[in-house]
Amino acid sequence: AQRVTQPEKLLSVFKGAPVELKCNYSYSGSPELFWYVQYSRQRLQLLLRHISRESIKGFTADLNKGETSFHLKKPFAQEEDSAMYYCALKRPGNQFYFGTGTSLTVIP
Amino acid sequence: NAGVMQNPRHLVRRRGQEARLRCSPMKGHSHVYWYRQLPEEGLKFMVYLQKENIIDESGMPKERFSAEFPKEGPSILRIQQVVRGDSAAYFCASSPLSGHSGNTIYFGEGSWLTVV
Repeated sequence: AQRVTQPEKLLSVFKGAPVELKCNYSYSGSPELFWYVQYSRQRLQLLLRHISRESIKGFTADLNKGETSFHLKKPFAQEEDSAMYYCALKRPGNQFYFGTGTSLTVIP
Repeated sequence: NAGVMQNPRHLVRRRGQEARLRCSPMKGHSHVYWYRQLPEEGLKFMVYLQKENIIDESGMPKERFSAEFPKEGPSILRIQQVVRGDSAAYFCASSPLSGHSGNTIYFGEGSWLTVV
């Protein structure tokens, strides 16, 4: 069963425009959700986690249990934001499931 | 605290040969995950292991692929009789034993397998 869905495989926005990367999940319990970022040919790095309610590099993500979503947002995209973004769900027992990723390109 | 270490970083194999990819988790971590990233595609879960135990191998191909995480030493992902379609980046990640809220997983830099 698909647990994490990222409907957009590719997303392009102009520099300075707002960006939203979508993530929906299916899980009956209380999920823990994360966003990871992978810059070109580098390791995946944790960007943010929902329990911290933090903003990293201008990105925020709010867990919406009603819509089972955890969309990643940034009001003004920068060229250095171009990367692959993965949404991840952690279940009890330390099992992590990733979405298929969204490749973000910020056009100068 | 060294991060997750993977080796080799790059591996070239001819069709039919075997590929062995190694992963040393972060110090204190006893859970290891393997993911495969195909060119222009996303990250696909393969297997989740604790020491001496496979917890979830639902993403592993039924044939030619195996993984282990022995009591001593690194985790190993083994691909027998490689084919061109196995060419991909293989990422290992590790997490602590504790499933405490907020614990996340940490990735290695990946091993790029090329089958020629």
